[in-house]
Amino acid sequence: AQSVTQLDSQVPVFEEAPVELRCNYSSSVSVYLFWYVQYPNQGLQLLLKYLSGSTLVESINGFEAEFNKSQTSFHLRKPSVHISDTAEYFCAVIDYAYSGAGSYQLTFGKGTKLSVIP
Amino acid sequence: NAGVTQTPKFQVLKTGQSMTLQCAQDMNHNSMYWYRQDPGMGLRLIYYSASEGTTDKGEVPNGYNVSRLNKREFSLRLESAAPSQTSVYFCASRNSGSGADTQYFGPGTRLTVL
Repeated sequence: AQSVTQLDSQVPVFEEAPVELRCNYSSSVSVYLFWYVQYPNQGLQLLLKYLSGSTLVESINGFEAEFNKSQTSFHLRKPSVHISDTAEYFCAVIDYAYSGAGSYQLTFGKGTKLSVIP
Repeated sequence: NAGVTQTPKFQVLKTGQSMTLQCAQDMNHNSMYWYRQDPGMGLRLIYYSASEGTTDKGEVPNGYNVSRLNKREFSLRLESAAPSQTSVYFCASRNSGSGADTQYFGPGTRLTVL
């Protein structure tokens, strides 16, 4: 079974500074990778995803993540954060060879709380 | 288009009481999921329904039952609530075919068991 490790539970960063949220998953050749964001008292929203092709994927609000197969990582980065980026970020993986019957079960990391300081 | 809706938003139960959490989606998705979210634990899958008429256990199914009432609705039942079931519960749905990898989440139900 898959496992996802988010190395930092909390990341404080000053506004307009860069940030990296780290994510590693257990090794597999058949994975889809996701970052979801949860704003306070809301549900989860998809931020970006890697399915295949280019290893660098981007979101519409300036985040990017790079799939690194050799290091089994999918770190999330943003060159300049805003107050509105304050939220909890979850890395998740689908091991589509392991998920039977097309269930496409998501395995989540424990989350990283990003706090942007004015 | 409301997406995924959940009722109630908040609920307080006493130990031993029962209740059903409701979830509905209007995106004509085939698959639906129930998760619980606990501080520092991320989201853990309770049950899922890959298609109408089927349900399967996830990582933490004990103490819960589910019903896929029709294609739109997927309910989660706690028969005898315990304090360990205090959590935030999220329902999600997923289509099949193009874009089938993405799950869409509801706003959650905050449940407290005293």
